[in-house]
Amino acid sequence: DGGITQSPKYLFRKEGQNVTLSCEQNLNHDAMYWYRQDPGQGLRLIYYSQIVNDFQKGDIAEGYSVSREKKESFPLTVTSAQKNPTAFYLCASRPGQGDTNEKLFFGSGTQLSVL
Amino acid sequence: RKEVEQDPGPFNVPEGATVAFNCTYSNSASQSFFWYRQDCRKEPKLLMSVYSSGNEDGRFTAQLNRASQYISLLIRDSKLSDSATYLCVVVDSGGGADGLTFGKGTHLIIQP
Repeated sequence: DGGITQSPKYLFRKEGQNVTLSCEQNLNHDAMYWYRQDPGQGLRLIYYSQIVNDFQKGDIAEGYSVSREKKESFPLTVTSAQKNPTAFYLCASRPGQGDTNEKLFFGSGTQLSVL
Repeated sequence: RKEVEQDPGPFNVPEGATVAFNCTYSNSASQSFFWYRQDCRKEPKLLMSVYSSGNEDGRFTAQLNRASQYISLLIRDSKLSDSATYLCVVVDSGGGADGLTFGKGTHLIIQP
């Protein structure tokens, strides 16, 4: 079955540590996104990519980094510069052909907590 | 700045009742609209797209009012399993990532 796979489901970070969240899709989608969700809050865009080897900052990119070396993969690194990383992280994708009717599909999310 | 506003609730509704909530948007050039459902600590899942003519899927009806710039979601004969947070998503022309704007969600609790 096609879909988006995020791993791990739960992740713990120590002070000063970088951690990487995985996101893989086999939907052949061009566009991929990372969102952060805090309790009782909406989704905030961290980074997005519309094509391989290209990505753009979202609203809250500071303290995060991404890469898009393959169409299927869009990993997110939470660096030590992100002082408040505890949140639920969601990866999403859509075809990315410019049609506004394209639907967004989400992975199952990663809950990141600080030790 | 583009804004999408939803009443956060919670809406406490008895089972079997009809409930409706709205989502207002600020950008009159918005092109596409969606309702997503999100359960606690789960990913949002597409509930339905919202078409200009309105659309219905079983107990759910979505409508778009371009003149007043809002979309609505109506749930009839509500079930306990309808308890969730409902997110609206508004897409501007161009379809790029910064054309996607999420509301913060409306929390719905169906009570037995």
